[in-house]
Amino acid sequence: EPEVTQTPSHQVTQMGQEVILRCVPISNHLYFYWYRQILGQKVEFLVSFYNNEISEKSEIFDDQFSVERPDGSNFTLKIRSTKLEDSAMYFCASSGPLAGRSDTQYFGPGTRLTVL
Amino acid sequence: AQTVTQSQPEMSVQEAETVTLSCTYDTSENNYYLFWYKQPPSRQMILVIRQEAYKQQNATENRFSVNFQKAAKSFSLKISDSQLGDTAMYFCAFMISGSARQLTFGSGTQLTVLP
Repeated sequence: EPEVTQTPSHQVTQMGQEVILRCVPISNHLYFYWYRQILGQKVEFLVSFYNNEISEKSEIFDDQFSVERPDGSNFTLKIRSTKLEDSAMYFCASSGPLAGRSDTQYFGPGTRLTVL
Repeated sequence: AQTVTQSQPEMSVQEAETVTLSCTYDTSENNYYLFWYKQPPSRQMILVIRQEAYKQQNATENRFSVNFQKAAKSFSLKISDSQLGDTAMYFCAFMISGSARQLTFGSGTQLTVLP
C-alpha cells in the first residue's frame, strides 16, 4: 500500500539555524500539506500546496517558513531561522486523486524537530 | 471559522467492550467531510474513518462506526470489541469540501484499552 514518507525522523538544531524537512507524498497525489503538533497539543495546519503554488496557509506560516516541490517526488518545508517555539512534530500529508477519495489526506510518520 | 470540540480528554475501556468517543463541530458550511484519526504512541497519524456530510448513512469500517447527526453537528466514534492495539489518541477533524483544504482538528481523546 502506498504511503507518505518523511525524513529525517528526528532533527535537532540550534536556535537560529535553518532546517529543511523532507517528504515524499504518495506518487499519484496532487495536493500536499504540512501540519505541526507541539507536544501535548492539537494538530495545527500550516500550509497546502497544489500545482507548484501555495493554496492555503495559516497564521503560523509566516515569512520564516517556505515550501517547495524541487522535483517530481519530494515536498519540502524550510524554516529559515529556527526558534525555540518551533520545536514540534511536523507532519506531511497528501491527497487525491486516488480511487475517488481526493479529499482524504494521508499522513506521513512525522519529523520531530527539537530546537536547542 | 470552523471549530471542533472533543470534550473527553481521557477515556478507558475494557478489552472486548464497546466505547464511544464524542465530537462536536461548528460550521456554517453545508458541504464538508468529517474524519477520525488515530495517533498511537509512535505519533503517526492514521486515518480511521471518514464521513461525507451529504451522506445520511453512517460510515463503518470493520469495528469502527460513526454516529453522524448533521443537525446537531455531532460526530461520535464507536469502537466495538476494543483491542489493546486501539490504545491511542483519537482526533476528530473537519474539512470543507474541495481540494487542498485544511483539516481542523479537535484537541483529542486519549483512549486506553485495559486488559
